[in-house]
Amino acid sequence: AQKITQTQPGMFVQEKEAVTLDCTYDTSDPSYGLFWYKQPSSGEMIFLIYQGSYDQQNATEGRYSLNFQKARKSANLVISASQLGDSAMYFCAMRERRDNYGQNFVFGPGTRLSVLP
Amino acid sequence: DAGVIQSPRHEVTEMGQEVTLRCKPISGHNSLFWYRQTMMRGLELLIYFNNNVPIDDSGMPEDRFSAKMPNASFSTLKIQPSEPRDSAVYFCASSFRGMGKLFFGSGTQLSVL
Repeated sequence: AQKITQTQPGMFVQEKEAVTLDCTYDTSDPSYGLFWYKQPSSGEMIFLIYQGSYDQQNATEGRYSLNFQKARKSANLVISASQLGDSAMYFCAMRERRDNYGQNFVFGPGTRLSVLP
Repeated sequence: DAGVIQSPRHEVTEMGQEVTLRCKPISGHNSLFWYRQTMMRGLELLIYFNNNVPIDDSGMPEDRFSAKMPNASFSTLKIQPSEPRDSAVYFCASSFRGMGKLFFGSGTQLSVL
């Protein structure tokens, strides 16, 4: 079973508009972390935002916010005021513990965002 | 602060040759991950080290792949013999005790002809 699901292979958004990228996850670990990474065409993986499973408030980092709905196991990324430079691949990832042997990071398939001028 | 350093950035080799990818994690980080990224399969975890010890290598495709971490500041991923289907971007990433985020290297673009 997929641990991280991103149902939107591609998304388009008009410059200056807000966009939501969907992510759902599956874990039985009560202590986990959720991440979003951006991969521009240059290929590097850029950390955007983090949400811990016990965090009461949704995480925010500048124009990025994470809409965390724990009961629904949802961790959507919201980008406000989109910019042309936001065009990239976006990955949702989860860190969970593994059998007392540390932890595992698993990534979703990604959503390709294109910002239109 | 230097980030995760991978070498080489690009590697082109012929089928059957041995390939060695290198990674230097961020100083103080004790968890190291090797990922492979392809269009078809996305980001796949190959192997994970904790305190230099391989914890989970279930993602290693087959015996042609091997990884080592002889000390806290160096890891290698070796493919021997290489095949065209191994062509991919290989990322190394590190974290501190699994807390917080993964820091990625720039990746190695491997092309096996």
